[in-house]
Amino acid sequence: AQRVTQPEKLLSVFKGAPVELKCNYSYSGSPELFWYVQYSRQRLQLLLRHISRESIKGFTADLNKGETSFHLKKPFAQEEDSAMYYCALSTGTASKLTFGTGTRLQVTL
Amino acid sequence: SQTIHQWPATLVQPVGSPLSLECTVEGTSNPNLYWYRQAAGRGLQLLFYSVGIGQISSEVPQNLSASRPQDRQFILSSKKLLLSDSGFYLCAWNPDRGHEQFFGPGTRLTVL
Repeated sequence: AQRVTQPEKLLSVFKGAPVELKCNYSYSGSPELFWYVQYSRQRLQLLLRHISRESIKGFTADLNKGETSFHLKKPFAQEEDSAMYYCALSTGTASKLTFGTGTRLQVTL
Repeated sequence: SQTIHQWPATLVQPVGSPLSLECTVEGTSNPNLYWYRQAAGRGLQLLFYSVGIGQISSEVPQNLSASRPQDRQFILSSKKLLLSDSGFYLCAWNPDRGHEQFFGPGTRLTVL
């Protein structure tokens, strides 16, 4: 069965410092991976997906099939990046999502 | 544009009471619909999904059931709530396979 692991519950960084939120997955098929974000008092929303290979709000994530990882990175953290981040794996014809347990990013001055 | 609604926003129910949470989507047709639960200290767990009216797939055995009486309506139910049913319930939709899922505002359920 598929699984998504986010080893850090909380990641605290200073403003301007680099950020890396770790995500590892386990899936026998071809993975479709996403990062979702939930800002305070807002809905869970898509941040980026590996297929699009975009940089959103300065964040990037590269799928590494050899290491089965999809880590989220940003070179310089901003206060507004503080939020809950979830890595998710889409599987099956109904695009079901398997989520990790989430990492809370806290950016301090 | 498409929107997704959930109600109620919060609910406090006694153990053994029934449950009905509703989710509706506007501005689209034949969406895939999903129910997730987020329990304290845990990630989001997929409970049910539906690819069409009357088509429900269950992901985990539990005390809950789901129904899709109309194309854009998805209902989560229980006949008798357990304490372990407490959590944050999220409804989501996507237009087709491979698209991102769009989430509703969620319902916080507390079972006492």
